[in-house]
Amino acid sequence: KQEVTQIPAALSVPEGENLVLNCSFTDSAIYNLQWFRQDPGKGLTSLLLIQSSQREQTSGRLNASLDKSSGRSTLYIAASQPGDSATYLCAAHSGGGADGLTFGKGTHLIIQP
Amino acid sequence: NAGVTQTPKFQVLKTGQSMTLQCAQDMNHEYMSWYRQDPGMGLRLIHYSVGAGITDQGEVPNGYNVSRSTTEDFPLRLLSAAPSQTSVYFCASSYYGGANEKLFFGSGTQLSVL
Repeated sequence: KQEVTQIPAALSVPEGENLVLNCSFTDSAIYNLQWFRQDPGKGLTSLLLIQSSQREQTSGRLNASLDKSSGRSTLYIAASQPGDSATYLCAAHSGGGADGLTFGKGTHLIIQP
Repeated sequence: NAGVTQTPKFQVLKTGQSMTLQCAQDMNHEYMSWYRQDPGMGLRLIHYSVGAGITDQGEVPNGYNVSRSTTEDFPLRLLSAAPSQTSVYFCASSYYGGANEKLFFGSGTQLSVL
């Protein structure tokens, strides 16, 4: 059974810093790895989806990488801003359909102004 | 653009009561699903549907019923609520439920069972 771990569980950094969030998964036979953002009292918003054949995906100040062989993905946030404060979740897709997603517990990120 | 709409946002039930959590999407998505999110745990799939008239169980289906009579709606029913069902519930949808499709989530229903 796929297991997804996110470290650290919480992170607080000053505004302007570059930071890295980590995600590891136990079964490397994945279709893709997705990163989501969750704001308090809100649902999840998809940020980046890296297909198994890709190494990385970029969207603005966000860059996600995938290393299937080591079972790791990282989300890099450049020049962090207070508006980036949220919980970030990664999810590994092991099955053939959308029911195959396994979520991590998330990293709660606080960007200090 | 409404996207995925969940009602109610908050609900308090007594043990043994029944209720239905509503989920509607206006994106003509075939795939819809229900997750629960508990403190210290990742999201867990309860039930999902790949189209009207088709439903299937996820990881934690016990205590919950679903049906899909239309493409737009996917209600989640608790027939006899238990304290263990206290959680935040999210509905999600995508076009066909394919592996490389993005999921769109509703804003959640916070349920407390006393």
